[in-house]
Formats: sequence, C-alpha cells, structure tokens
Amino acid sequence: DTGVSQDPRHKITKRGQNVTFRCDPISEHNRLYWYRQTLGQGPEFLTYFQNEAQLEKSRLLSDRFSAERPKGSFSTLEIQRTEQGDSAMYLCASSLTGGLASQQYFGPGTRLTVT
Amino acid sequence: DAKTTQPNSMESNEEEPVHLPCNHSTISGTDYIHWYRQLPSQGPEYVIHGLTSNVNNRMASLAIAEDRKSSTLILHRATLRDAAVYYCILRDVVDDYKLSFGAGTTVTVRA
Repeated sequence: DTGVSQDPRHKITKRGQNVTFRCDPISEHNRLYWYRQTLGQGPEFLTYFQNEAQLEKSRLLSDRFSAERPKGSFSTLEIQRTEQGDSAMYLCASSLTGGLASQQYFGPGTRLTVT
Repeated sequence: DAKTTQPNSMESNEEEPVHLPCNHSTISGTDYIHWYRQLPSQGPEYVIHGLTSNVNNRMASLAIAEDRKSSTLILHRATLRDAAVYYCILRDVVDDYKLSFGAGTTVTVRA
C-alpha cells in the first residue's frame, strides 16, 4: 500500500489554458474525494465518487471544472479556461467506506499556479 | 455544517504535553468529532475521532466533555514532527461524505 498519489505535484499554467490532474487512491478504496485549499485556509470539499459514480458536487465546482473516475479506480480533475482564482492546492483523498466514523486518506496534493 | 471554534495558534516545548481545545456548542447527538492534522507541504492526515467517550490511540488522546460541547486533543509528548495545523471537524449525518475544515490551530513546537 503506497498511499494516495497525485500527479503532477506542481503545475504552472497561463490563464485560459486547460489543466488536468490525476489521483490514484489506495487500492480497494471505494470512495474518492477532491478538495481545494487556498493559502492559509483549510481544505474545502469539491466532489466525491462512490466507485465510478459522482455522488456530490460542491457549489465551488463551477462549470469549468469536471471530474471523472471512469473505472472506479483513478480519478481526473480537469479545469477548463483557468483563471487566476483557480490557483490553489488540489487535494485528493480516498476511503474504504463512508459513514461518520470513516477515515479519509489524503494525497500530497497538486499545487496549481495560474499566471 | 456544524461549527467548531479553535484557537489560531499554540506553542509548546518539545517533550511536553499539548492540549488543543475545540468548542462545538451546536453539536447534535449523532455528530462525530474528528481531528486531522496537516504537516507543512503535505495533505491532511487523520489523527483520532470519537463520539461520546474519551479515546486513545498511538498518536493522541481525545477528551470529550460530558455535554459534548467541547473536546480536547492531547499530544502527550510533543516532538518537532508534531508541528502542524490541527483541525477539529464535526461529521454529521446530513453531509457524512465530506470533511468540513475550519482554519485550525497552528501548533509550533520549540526545541
């Protein structure tokens, strides 16, 4: 078990470009989550998957954002037409199950800088 | 989302205990209390959770007030590696899928 991995770790892009991030959860974890964290703030929930189904999306997830988990394994988060306000750390997490006592395991994050 | 209140920062000396308070006066009977921490340049990591009774694990202890309106995370012997932002989070049945992070408490450990 190598934990949750994310790729790339850093991404610098120009405003208006599209970017895609990848998350590989812990194997056999059914749930996968995406969060966003800006400087000095705690992470904010964006969306989550139960296997391949996307079950919840935050209002933070504008139309320019799309997430997929095609085979219930890895997930991608795409941002189209990036804006400077999209600059943040994008964190992925996974959990074996849901429920109030479940534990989420986080990856190291992808830091996005939009210039 | 249920709300928690934590001090912005705390300092401790190495090898001394650290008591991190968290107020959650609007907690409901089914809300779980979770603690996560985030070391510099890393994603958050789970520390401990509880419902009503005090809990211990290898990382920390969680003391929950009898009325459940507050809790305290206890690091028994702080090390330099414990310097992090500590988040107290309530998980409720409505939004049980997500973690709602506040600003947390930044813990500094002095050598």
